Amino acid sequence: SQTIHQWPATLVQPVGSPLSLECTVEGTSNPNLYWYRQAAGRGLQLLFYSVGIGQISSEVPQNLSASRPQDRQFILSSKKLLLSDSGFYLCAWSSGTGFRKAFFGQGTRLTVV
Amino acid sequence: KNQVEQSPQSLIILEGKNCTLQCNYTVSPFSNLRWYKQDTGRGPVSLTIMTFSENTKSNGRYTATLDADTKQSSLHITASQLSDSASYICVVSAGYSTLTFGKGTMLLVSP
Repeated sequence: SQTIHQWPATLVQPVGSPLSLECTVEGTSNPNLYWYRQAAGRGLQLLFYSVGIGQISSEVPQNLSASRPQDRQFILSSKKLLLSDSGFYLCAWSSGTGFRKAFFGQGTRLTVV
Repeated sequence: KNQVEQSPQSLIILEGKNCTLQCNYTVSPFSNLRWYKQDTGRGPVSLTIMTFSENTKSNGRYTATLDADTKQSSLHITASQLSDSASYICVVSAGYSTLTFGKGTMLLVSP
């Protein structure tokens, strides 16, 4: 069966510090991978998606970047965090064909102080 | 531009009552529509998924409907329980491109 791992679950970082959130998927190959952010009281905002290794599409300009060094690994990064980067970050994957499967990780609560 | 609109934004109901959440979308080409339940601080969990040819899909006390002509979907919750308190998110996928998310409906079931 397919599983998705996202870590860490919570993170408190000072302003200006770097960020690295990791997401890995097991039990499937060539998944579509996504990073979402959910600000308090708001819906999910798509940040990045990837349809293959090294292929990253950005939905909104921001202080973040994403990379996909391996087929089932998706990394969200920042060189210098801003207060506005605080939020709940979700990694998700969907099957590369048919889109009948889509699953989310458990999320990372990031607080920038 | 692909969009998914959900209503109401929030809802409070008494335990044991039924409720219906709405989802309107403008996504093309339509592939499928999903409803997710997201507990606070957790990742969304899939409730139902429907393709173009499916009008109704049930999962326990949850029943989703889809009208592909009017591009509307609803999620009906029967005999609500306190554990149903969560955010319910409608997600539509277009072909092989990205998923489009609604902002969710926050449901609170009170005793």
